Parts: sequence; C-alpha cells; structure tokens
Amino acid sequence: GESVGLHLPTLSVQEGDNSIINCAYSNSASDYFIWYKQESGKGPQFIIDIRSNMDKRQGQRVTVLLNKTVKHLSLQIAATQPGDSAVYFCAENYGGSQGNLIFGKGTKLSVKP
Amino acid sequence: EAGVVQSPRYKIIEKKQPVAFWCNPISGHNTLYWYRQNLGQGPELLIRYENEEAVDDSQLPKDRFSAERLKGVDSTLKIQPAELGDSAVYLCASKPSGGSDEQFFGPGTRLTVL
Repeated sequence: GESVGLHLPTLSVQEGDNSIINCAYSNSASDYFIWYKQESGKGPQFIIDIRSNMDKRQGQRVTVLLNKTVKHLSLQIAATQPGDSAVYFCAENYGGSQGNLIFGKGTKLSVKP
Repeated sequence: EAGVVQSPRYKIIEKKQPVAFWCNPISGHNTLYWYRQNLGQGPELLIRYENEEAVDDSQLPKDRFSAERLKGVDSTLKIQPAELGDSAVYLCASKPSGGSDEQFFGPGTRLTVL
C-alpha cells in the first residue's frame, strides 16, 4: 500500500551542527508535503510545508527539499539547538483539498550540548 | 488566538468501560480531524469532518468508536467499550476550508486502558 517512511528512526547531533532528516514517500500522486515537530506530551507542531511544484522551500533555520524523481523529502535544520530535540514527522497528501495527511513513523532528533 | 483545545489531557480506565474525548477547534476552522497516535508512531486518521458532516470515517472502527460534531464546532469522540489495544494518544486537529492544507493540532488526550 501507499506509505510514508523515514530512513532513520533516531538522529543525534551536536549543538550548532546542521541536521538532516530524511523521508521517503511512495505515492507519486502526492502534491503536498509537510513536516511536523512533536515534543514529548504535546501535539504535532507545524514546521514547514512544500507543494509538488517546488523542489525547495526555506523557512527560519529550516529548509525542505523535495526530489520527486526518487520520491524523497528532507528537512534540514541549520545550527541545531537543544530546543530542536523532538520527534519529527513527515506527511503527504495526495487527495488535494479533499485529501488527508498520511504520516510517517517519525525520527527522534537528540541535540547534545 | 487560542489553539485547538482538548480534554481531558489524561484518562485511565479499565477495559470494557466507556470513555469520551472532547475537542474544540480553532475558531472559524470548518474542518476537524480525529487521529490516534500509538507510541512511537505517526498519527493515523480516524475521522474527518467538514462542518457537521463526517466526510471520511473509513478508518474509524465503528463497532466501538463513534464521533459527533452536532453544531459543526466542537466534537466528541467516544469509545464503548474500550479495549487494551485502544491505549494511545487521541489527537484532534483543525484547519480552515480553502487556503493552506496545514492542520493545527491540539495537545491530545493520553488514554490508558488497564
């Protein structure tokens, strides 16, 4: 079936380094992708999103890259801080405005001071 | 602006008991979602509402789960009777009709079934 998955379940980085979290998706019809951050005991929090007509989008310290050829999505966090420690989920939507988000399993990011 | 509100935050019940969760979405958000999140997993959609209409409940286990959004604002998700495997975090999310596809999540209700 269609699925969204992550390459690495855990990622440990040093404070100040850049982090890259990867995600593979399988539905070529997906036209919207989103990254969420979830801290312990909280609901997912929006980080950044991208539509399929783009291959890169930048926010504050975060960049999302979309490679439709290999169905790959990545989240780059610049100058990672302890407050970035959380579980990161990618999600895809292939149903347009009537569609639903399909979430992957998540990657836990740990930032060492 | 207030975010998505959920209550209770935590609930512990014995199996076979009923339980209900409440969600108040962000004001003006017509679309409301209920998700279930198992430990270490991403959220999985249970039901989606457009105003008061359930437009996608294909993933809702209808033998024991029910939901309502009578006036198209707040919503209740019920489980009766609860089973051990229902232990999870139940998340509510909302988004406005049209515009961005970003969903805004509440803090969730952590359910433990003993």
